Amino acid sequence: GDSVTQMEGPVTLSEEAFLTINCTYTATGYPSLFWYVQYPGEGLQLLLKATKADDKGSNKGFEATYRKETTSFHLEKGSVQVSDSAVYFCALRAGGQNFVFGPGTRLSVLP
Amino acid sequence: EAEVAQSPRYKITEKSQAVAFWCDPISGHATLYWYRQILGQGPELLVQFQDESVVDDSQLPKDRFSAERLKGVDSTLKIQPAELGDSAMYLCASSRMGATLTEAFFGQGTRLTVV
Repeated sequence: GDSVTQMEGPVTLSEEAFLTINCTYTATGYPSLFWYVQYPGEGLQLLLKATKADDKGSNKGFEATYRKETTSFHLEKGSVQVSDSAVYFCALRAGGQNFVFGPGTRLSVLP
Repeated sequence: EAEVAQSPRYKITEKSQAVAFWCDPISGHATLYWYRQILGQGPELLVQFQDESVVDDSQLPKDRFSAERLKGVDSTLKIQPAELGDSAMYLCASSRMGATLTEAFFGQGTRLTVV
């Protein structure tokens, strides 16, 4: 079945550091790819998405590029802030229309 | 801005008791999902509705869990009897029908603690 793999956390960075969170997927068909963010005690919020190969999703300084050849969708940000501390989930949506999530990566940004 | 509404936000119940969660999706969203998220893990699908019909409930523990979406609008998820292992966040989400490219919108979730 479809699956998503993310780098293990937690990730701890200093403010203004560069962030990369790796995400790879396995899917039958041609999925759409998403990054969601979850703050403590809250539901998931969409951060960005990409729907076809080589698409780049971007929002709030975060970016991710849909790489079909490597089945990857890595999340990057050039300069993180303390307010970016949260759990980040990579997800895919394929033909079954269900969303399949990775295990999440906890990010802590220190001032 | 339209939101997915869930209630209650928090629920504490004793094991063997019944508990119910409610979800009101964004207006016009035909697809509704219930996910369970265990602390420190990603959400896992319990049930997916298309309008009032169940599309996927393969991971729903049907001996104790039930879900309905009468009239294809709001939905209720019930657990009876609750077990200690049911302690988790229960998330409701909705999305537009027939569009695999669109995102799901999530509610704030119900945090269930079974004691």
